[in-house]
Amino acid sequence: LAKTTQPISMDSYEGQEVNITCSHNNIATNDYITWYQQFPSQGPRFIIQGYKTKVTNEVASLFIPADRKSSTLSLPRVSLSDTAVYYCLVGPANQAGTALIFGKGTTLSVSS
Amino acid sequence: SAVISQKPSRDICQRGTSLTIQCQVDSQVTMMFWYRQQPGQSLTLIATANQGSEATYESGFVIDKFPISRPNLTFSTLTVSNMSPEDSSIYLCSVLIGGVQYFGPGTRLTVT
Repeated sequence: LAKTTQPISMDSYEGQEVNITCSHNNIATNDYITWYQQFPSQGPRFIIQGYKTKVTNEVASLFIPADRKSSTLSLPRVSLSDTAVYYCLVGPANQAGTALIFGKGTTLSVSS
Repeated sequence: SAVISQKPSRDICQRGTSLTIQCQVDSQVTMMFWYRQQPGQSLTLIATANQGSEATYESGFVIDKFPISRPNLTFSTLTVSNMSPEDSSIYLCSVLIGGVQYFGPGTRLTVT
């Protein structure tokens, strides 16, 4: 499974856009990129998943360049409740049935 | 997505005893996974549990210590046997649906 590298921590203020970049230089052809959010004492919550270009949902956007060696999670107008750990994971499609392997994640702190 | 519940949500146990954690899903799923999250750390995969087959354990985890049952497509149990304080962690189950892993709320275990 491709290894991912992301910043250990980031700080932001309410109302700002936050972009968290993840490097995955060894991503395989059949790998997808998935981001999770985790609050203390809760299980990780799925945010967004993509394969290439741009994916957007009601919570976030995911930007993936053509070489797919990195990806950027964009959180528009963050609030205090967005303070959490964000994990970038890379793994094969559903049919492979392979469990995701978690890295250390990025701790996002949002201040007022 | 899926609604995943775990029982108990938390427990305090004495060393040398065993605890069985239950994971219930509101839909039928083939792939289920068990993770452990030690205090301040990321998630570590314990095993993959597919209905109808023996669980597959990751390096460092053995069946005698973490026996898993998967009696049907909506339910699984993880037992933490002969507990020691080092087993104090959050234990999470996860299911794979449509290429995305969804996580339960976790079981917080404290071993004294």
